[in-house]
Amino acid sequence: QSALTQPASVSGSPGQSITISCTGTSSDVGSYNLVSWYQLHPGQAPKLVIYEGSKRPSGVSNRFSDSKSGNTASLTISGLQAEDEADYYCCSYAGSSTWVFGGGTKLTVL
Amino acid sequence: QVQLVESGGGVVQPGRSLRLSCTASGFTFSSYGMHWVRQAPGKGLEWVAVISYDGSNKYYADSVKGRFTISRDNSKNTLYLQMNSLRPEDTAVYYCTKGMTSVTPDYWGQGTLVTVSS
Repeated sequence: QSALTQPASVSGSPGQSITISCTGTSSDVGSYNLVSWYQLHPGQAPKLVIYEGSKRPSGVSNRFSDSKSGNTASLTISGLQAEDEADYYCCSYAGSSTWVFGGGTKLTVL
Repeated sequence: QVQLVESGGGVVQPGRSLRLSCTASGFTFSSYGMHWVRQAPGKGLEWVAVISYDGSNKYYADSVKGRFTISRDNSKNTLYLQMNSLRPEDTAVYYCTKGMTSVTPDYWGQGTLVTVSS
């Protein structure tokens, strides 16, 4: 149950696009289409932004999308806005009814 | 709308026990699996445990297996986490999360802080 690997931080200017990677193994990210992404603003409950392969919950902007290649999933946020500044975490099903999160990425909007 | 409210956190000495509760509303609690996820100070999220919709199946992270027990009372729309033999490294904000049909965590509570310290 090792944590998925994410970059510690990424940054971008308003209007730009950024991508956050999430690298796991063939036992988790590579084996299941069950990667989800969460946005954490300080003092607020985590918010689901992407699940099960680019599906967005109701109310989440279509500026959020994801992709997967092998053991790596990636979250892309296009048209960056100041309100996107937050911590982002990926999560994957890891088999045997267990789940694993990434270490988190701090997004700074310059 | 979906609401999850955790309670029961506090300061506890190493080796002691604590029970967390999570009261759910806004959805049919008895139809969904539920998770506990924690975040230690300055650290990332860590999955702790999951329980099936009817409480018949429970699974744990290796870090808490044998010490923590997840349970639920569907008549009270409440999820529990019994934490025994607590260690300083269990210090964290504990979140309860609702599972989707696929059991992927979707809605989260605001969390409750557990501090294990002498």
